[in-house]
Amino acid sequence: TQLLEQSPQFLSIQEGENLTVYCNSSSVFSSLQWYRQEPGEGPVLLVTVVTGGEVKKLKRLTFQFGDARKDSSLHITAAQTGDTGLYLCAGGGDGGTSYGKLTFGQGTILTVHP
Amino acid sequence: DTAVSQTPKYLVTQMGNDKSIKCEQNLGHDTMYWYKQDSKKFLKIMFSYNNKELIINETVPNRFSPKSPDKAHLNLHINSLELGDSAVYFCASSQGISGAVQETQYFGPGTRLLVL
Repeated sequence: TQLLEQSPQFLSIQEGENLTVYCNSSSVFSSLQWYRQEPGEGPVLLVTVVTGGEVKKLKRLTFQFGDARKDSSLHITAAQTGDTGLYLCAGGGDGGTSYGKLTFGQGTILTVHP
Repeated sequence: DTAVSQTPKYLVTQMGNDKSIKCEQNLGHDTMYWYKQDSKKFLKIMFSYNNKELIINETVPNRFSPKSPDKAHLNLHINSLELGDSAVYFCASSQGISGAVQETQYFGPGTRLLVL
């Protein structure tokens, strides 16, 4: 069974601070995704990383996939109150057998205070 | 022009009852999913259908029965509801079956089920 551990579970910071969320596993994933979920809504995809060592930037968000494709991180620069939400990492398994099955981490609840 | 819609949004019911949740996607996708999100926000896949065929069936009590009348709809019927079934249930869809690169899954707004 593939498991993803996310840390920290809760993060409460002031606007303007930087933060990093980590997603770790002992399993190799063919790709890894980060989703953001706002209260009362479903998760929305932020990014998919595929290649070991890959770094993707989305405005103030930087996503990294570990060289061994077992871990990933999400770094937010100069957090804003609009970044508040639940951040979920999700791993896609071996494409030949997973049929789109996503394994989710436990999530990080981020609260950015004004 | 909602992409993935679910009904109802809220469902409060008594233990032992049978209830259904409906999901529809207008994205033309071939694959649909049901997820359960517990009170700790952990999201776990339950079922997946591709072109009306069941392709993922995780360890879920057989009180839960999905049904896909066509590839735009995936419904979830739950028999003999238990307290532990209380959760948020999300429907999602993707274009096809993911290969080496995970496809984007589009989630519905969720159905909040409370069993009393």
